[in-house]
Amino acid sequence: QQQVKQSPQSLIVQKGGISIINCAYENTAFDYFPWYQQFPGKGPALLIAIRPDVSEKKEGRFTISFNKGAKQFSLHIMDSQPGDSATYFCAVPETSGSRLTFGEGTQLTVNP
Amino acid sequence: DARVTQTPRHKVTEMGQEVTMRCQPILGHNTVFWYRQTMMQGLELLAYFRNRAPLDDSGMPKDRFSAEMPDATLATLKIQPSEPRDSAVYFCASGLEVGRTDTQYFGPGTRLTVL
Repeated sequence: QQQVKQSPQSLIVQKGGISIINCAYENTAFDYFPWYQQFPGKGPALLIAIRPDVSEKKEGRFTISFNKGAKQFSLHIMDSQPGDSATYFCAVPETSGSRLTFGEGTQLTVNP
Repeated sequence: DARVTQTPRHKVTEMGQEVTMRCQPILGHNTVFWYRQTMMQGLELLAYFRNRAPLDDSGMPKDRFSAEMPDATLATLKIQPSEPRDSAVYFCASGLEVGRTDTQYFGPGTRLTVL
């Protein structure tokens, strides 16, 4: 079973700053590395995902950086906004099928 | 706008009672997942179905939990008897697995409180 370590547990950033959340996995993972965003009282929702054939993917203010050799990937939120305040989960797939193992989550607070 | 629906949204029950949670996956999706979320344990996978067949329920306490998919539009999670430690938010998610891992779409969750 996949082991996933996410850090930090919580993060406070000023509006306009850069938020960085890291994820490390142990076993050889398959083909898909997503980040999910969860607002209070809601279910997690896919924010951005990367396939391992690229080292970086950017969507608006959100960027995933992927280091396959180090078995790590990170989420960067540029120009962080109060509306980005949420819990963020990285996830790593098992070697087959659709099962994902989620990180412990990072609670991000962006102060105005 | 296709989405996963879950009922009930909130459930308060007393210890020892049976609890049934229902999930309607997105039409056309072939995978269904049940997760439990608590502050201490994060998101734990309880069960995983593909094409209605259970593939993995190793995360579920077998003596009291059961998960089924009576048909492609309904997944159920039952707890019998319920215990206070079962208090958590239970999420259902569905996805479309076609040869490789892809997005899981989560429902709004059922918040369960066992007194």
